[in-house]
Amino acid sequence: AQSVTQLGSHVSVSEGALVLLRCNYSSSVPPYLFWYVQYPNQGLQLLLKYTSAATLVKGINGFEAEFKKSETSFHLTKPSAHMSDAAEYFCAVRRGDSSYKLIFGSGTRLLVRP
Amino acid sequence: DTGVSQDPRHKITKRGQNVTFRCDPISEHNRLYWYRQTLGQGPEFLTYFQNEAQLEKSRLLSDRFSAERPKGSFSTLEIQRTEQGDSAMYLCASSTDVSNEQYFGPGTRLTVT
Repeated sequence: AQSVTQLGSHVSVSEGALVLLRCNYSSSVPPYLFWYVQYPNQGLQLLLKYTSAATLVKGINGFEAEFKKSETSFHLTKPSAHMSDAAEYFCAVRRGDSSYKLIFGSGTRLLVRP
Repeated sequence: DTGVSQDPRHKITKRGQNVTFRCDPISEHNRLYWYRQTLGQGPEFLTYFQNEAQLEKSRLLSDRFSAERPKGSFSTLEIQRTEQGDSAMYLCASSTDVSNEQYFGPGTRLTVT
């Protein structure tokens, strides 16, 4: 069965500091991995995805993530936090075969201090 | 491309009542998904459609829940005899059948009193 673990329900950084949001997954088959962002009372917006091409994936708004198979990780980073990055971030996994459902982690709320 | 839309955005109902939500996917997206998100949690998969066929259902989808996509375009999610535990955000997403990307709507927030 697939699962996703996001370490840290809350992460607080200063504006301009490095953002690191952690995601570890388990999957019995090669997975597809995703990061989504959710602003209050809104749906989810796709930030980036890994689908077995390059292990370093660049997304929108300056975010990127690196797929590390040996560590079963897909951590999200951004070199310099902006106040507008404050939101909830979700990591998700999809089996690389016939199932299309996404399995989400419990989310990490990013707080950006001025 | 106007994105995935959901209606209503908010619904307050009394326990025991039936409710129905609608989702309009991005045009020409033949896959449509329903998820449920409770406070402080990530979305949980409920069901998905390929065109009008319902191909996968979660065990979360009890007998009180039913979803349809009769013409392969919009979808409805009905909850019968609502319970307080049904209070959640119900999210709809859509995708093409060649893309791994699911695009989400704004959700319908259900409050059962």
